[in-house]
Order: sequence, then C-alpha cells, then structure tokens
Amino acid sequence: EAQLENSGGDLAQPGGSLRLSCAASGFTVNTNYISWVRQAPGKGLEWVATIYSGGTTYTADSVKGRVTISRDDSKNTVYLQMNILRVEDTATYYCARRGGDHGFYYFDPWGQGTPVIVS
Amino acid sequence: EVVLTQSPGTLSLSPGERATLSCRASESFGSSYLVWYQQKPGQAPRVLIYGASRRSTGTPDRFSGSGSGTDFTLTISRLEPEDFAVYYCQKSGSSPPFTFGQGTKLEIK
Repeated sequence: EAQLENSGGDLAQPGGSLRLSCAASGFTVNTNYISWVRQAPGKGLEWVATIYSGGTTYTADSVKGRVTISRDDSKNTVYLQMNILRVEDTATYYCARRGGDHGFYYFDPWGQGTPVIVS
Repeated sequence: EVVLTQSPGTLSLSPGERATLSCRASESFGSSYLVWYQQKPGQAPRVLIYGASRRSTGTPDRFSGSGSGTDFTLTISRLEPEDFAVYYCQKSGSSPPFTFGQGTKLEIK
C-alpha cells in the first residue's frame, strides 16, 4: 500500500528556515510526481510545489525564491526547504503523490500533514 | 492561471437531503483534469471524484460529478451523517499550478 509520512514541522521565527520531509513507502518517489500542499489555519488548500519523476521542479509564485523542493532517492524521501519564513507561511503542510493515468490525474495518497508555525 | 470559484461557501442541509456543490473555472479546461476532494476536521483531504465524473475507489455511489468546460458540479444524492465535511475542487493535469477552489463547507442543518 502506498503511504506518505510527513515530518519536520515546528515553531520557527520570521526569517528562519525549516526543512519538511515526506517519506514514502509502498512506491518509489523517483518514478512519481510528488507535490506539497499547504493549508493555513481555518483556510483552504494551496498548492506549493511539485517535483516530477525526471527531477523537474515547480513552485507556486507565492513562495518562489524562498522554497525548494527536492528528493533523496536513497531515502525514498521528498523535502521542502523553506527559507526566509514569513508569518503567512503558518500552515499545515501535506505532501501528496499524483495518482491516476491515461490523462486522469489526482493527488493520492496524502501524508498526514506537518504543522509549521511562524511567530 | 486558472482560478476555481466554489459555491456556495457554506451549505446547510439535513441528512437524507440532496446536496449540489458548484465549481466554476475562470477559463475552460479539459474535464479529465477536474478533481473533487473531501476533507474532514484534522484529516488530510481524500479524493472522491476525478476526471469530473469518475468515482475514486471507495467513493459511495451517492456521490456523482458532472460538468465540462468551466462549470462543474458535485452532487450527493442522499446525505449521510459522515458526508458533512469540506469539499474542494482542483484542476489537476500534467502542468502546474494545480489550483484548488476555496472550498464548500457542508454542515448539518
């Protein structure tokens, strides 16, 4: 069964850095597209970044220049490096795999989420 | 960049009633890229419908999706107590951004 486990969330100061982890089991991250999605307290879902199987990465304009998505194939883990943290980065961060095929895609499974508080 | 607008923001209904949730896109895109998720408090979202109308594994058949172009709908034929949650639509596909709507909260009346 494909599963994702999030970790690394913490309380951080504005201007600080955090690295979030997304450990996969039941599949290999380097043959899949993995994304990060965040949810501010009481708010909706916001796509943050994606890493493709070939290694190409994309980040949302709202975090571009401050956030980097990467992966370690030996650990079967995807990371989200967050720098120059802002109060508005406070959110629960989820990773998710792109599921589906033949042009029908969706995010599944999702990690359980890891909370980031910038204060 | 496509913007997805969901309506209503909150829907108050009773168990057994029919729920109709709307997702409108700022520009047209292929229906194969429209996804609906359900999120309950303290949980990660889970996929309900993909390709606008295809039920994901485990999605009860009281959930149905429809629409094309810029207008998409999620319908729950007869609400069960476990259906009260927040629902999000998303534009998936091969190229980001993978935009989400702002969500519709389905609450018990």
